Amino acid sequence: DTGVSQDPRHKITKRGQNVTFRCDPISEHNRLYWYRQTLGQGPEFLTYFQNEAQLEKSRLLSDRFSAERPKGSFSTLEIQRTEQGDSAMYLCASSPRANTGELFFGEGSRLTVL
Amino acid sequence: EDQVTQSPEALRLQEGESSSLNCSYTVSGLRGLFWYRQDPGKGPEFLFTLYSAGEEKEKERLKATLTKKESFLHITAPKPEDSATYLCAVQAQGNKLVFGAGTILRVKS
Repeated sequence: DTGVSQDPRHKITKRGQNVTFRCDPISEHNRLYWYRQTLGQGPEFLTYFQNEAQLEKSRLLSDRFSAERPKGSFSTLEIQRTEQGDSAMYLCASSPRANTGELFFGEGSRLTVL
Repeated sequence: EDQVTQSPEALRLQEGESSSLNCSYTVSGLRGLFWYRQDPGKGPEFLFTLYSAGEEKEKERLKATLTKKESFLHITAPKPEDSATYLCAVQAQGNKLVFGAGTILRVKS
């Protein structure tokens, strides 16, 4: 399978713990995006990378959230000191070019904070 | 602020019963409008891109159209496998998409 891969698919954690999600984009795609989706809502933009450079960040991305793409390949999204409001599906997407809305999404990482 | 509103929230159709989903948007400087399909527990799957008013795109039983204020996704003679959530998104500034909340479509045989 050469699609976008996310790990883990499900994560249950206690409030206050740190969690990290990994995304492996389609290999030839140098653009990578993180979105968050809560039940009954559409995805909300979190951040965008072109190669290893983080070029855009949403105001939704508080100080507790950090994303990296160290070598321009896979990316990680870390949430520190999780809160119940962080419970959501975290979606990663990639694309082969900039300024496009044609994104290839992974199946997401579902976070539940107890 | 860019906004996307989709209606109806949910739609139940009988197999073969054609209908339309609506996506109205408010955006400064539309660079593109996009339709996605999302199955339960999966990530969204890209369907169409529309760039300017009057443009139409078709794929199997789906046809997307665009005006200056809204887009429609027409579903002709739907089948149960068309059941999914259909998401509309707009791109204005930068590389982010602003999504609507989606329309949940159920097609019964």
